Amino acid sequence: DTAVSQTPKYLVTQMGNDKSIKCEQNLGHDTMYWYKQDSKKFLKIMFSYNNKELIINETVPNRFSPKSPDKAHLNLHINSLELGDSAVYFCASSRGGNYNSPLHFGNGTRLTVT
Amino acid sequence: DQQVKQNSPSLSVQEGRISILNCDYTNSMFDYFLWYKKYPAEGPTFLISISSIKDKNEDGRFTVFLNKSAKHLSLHIVPSQPGDSAVYFCAAGSNYKLTFGKGTLLTVNP
Repeated sequence: DTAVSQTPKYLVTQMGNDKSIKCEQNLGHDTMYWYKQDSKKFLKIMFSYNNKELIINETVPNRFSPKSPDKAHLNLHINSLELGDSAVYFCASSRGGNYNSPLHFGNGTRLTVT
Repeated sequence: DQQVKQNSPSLSVQEGRISILNCDYTNSMFDYFLWYKKYPAEGPTFLISISSIKDKNEDGRFTVFLNKSAKHLSLHIVPSQPGDSAVYFCAAGSNYKLTFGKGTLLTVNP
């Protein structure tokens, strides 16, 4: 049973296209996240939702729009893709947001923009 | 501005010996700290955590030490096993937001 699953695993697309990445968790967690791991290997938070409400929105271009239809899902839609968007995107979930509730990550989506 | 730094990109140890991974942070607002392990093509998996009110937490072969005055934490793995070979990320958090270090690649040689 996959706890946090994201699809697709690989995504290759051209500049200017619009794409979506889906994420689902079956852990019963109330908080979900999107992280980006860039070419320098840093994992940086992009968004966080708690009970379907946006609670963290880092300085991410408006082309990135998260959507949380329910507590178990957090999708990421990206408009007008750019070369610099190439990265690995990780979805994660937790129960609350403290050290007692570590993040559970999906296996990542490698996005390549050509 | 790196708020969480792992200054050693890699570490190699012999099986059975101790592995010590280090992490420094700059933001005194962080109130909890975690270590994650990551294998290639997988997401990071939680290893161990510590609250800022403690200075040590132990779980089996893994121990995390926190020195708040020095803004430094370390992960000790004893004894190290080949299956421990992975990238280890240090993370510091407050209020739903985790800030990660760049990771240290640990290689445990048989």
